[in-house]
Amino acid sequence: QVQVVQSGAELKKPGASVTVSCKASGYTFTEYAMNWLRQAPGQGLEWMGTMNTKRESPTYAQGFRGRFVFSLDTSVNTAYLQINNLTTEDTAVYYCARDGAVAGNWFDPWGQGTLVTVS
Amino acid sequence: IEMTQSPSSLSASVGDRVTITCRAGQFIATYLNWYQQKPGKAPKLLIYLASTLQNGVPSRFTGGGSGTDFTLTIDSLQPEDFATYYCQQSYFTPFTFGPGTTVDIK
Repeated sequence: QVQVVQSGAELKKPGASVTVSCKASGYTFTEYAMNWLRQAPGQGLEWMGTMNTKRESPTYAQGFRGRFVFSLDTSVNTAYLQINNLTTEDTAVYYCARDGAVAGNWFDPWGQGTLVTVS
Repeated sequence: IEMTQSPSSLSASVGDRVTITCRAGQFIATYLNWYQQKPGKAPKLLIYLASTLQNGVPSRFTGGGSGTDFTLTIDSLQPEDFATYYCQQSYFTPFTFGPGTTVDIK
């Protein structure tokens, strides 16, 4: 079945970097964009941006330009989110979520989430 | 595009009919999607393009609306429906979510 599975929780110190992985299976990886979303503790959902997996081209939402980097390894059907120069405000659950359809900007399926704690 | 939802929370009983409203700050046609999130879990897509039920989602969930005003209705609320519901616009980047509506047990 179609699914995306993320890497496990991370505990980092301020100023460090972290990489979250998102491995896809059950479909042709390069046919659907992969999105990244953030949910701070007790808060709502925030779309960080998307990765065009065919062109390997990222689009970042304002507020996520600079320290946040999307990348891919299409040989292993995996998307990555790297966050540099972490601050305590980056503490959140980070989700990857596939586009629900080719050129359909709803999100399905979602990864299980990766808690990144900066302390 | 700013998204608002009302109410922010509601209490209901099993078997009740519940309606959640989502309003977009500008015209989004029918580019509106609904998600359900339970504590500690990832969101789950319920409805896309305002009214299309995602495969596997029970038919007691219905979505409607267009333009700027949308609704999610749950007919005959079930115990597993107690959760937080988010709307999301997919008309224009950045894709934005409403603040959520929490449905809890009365």
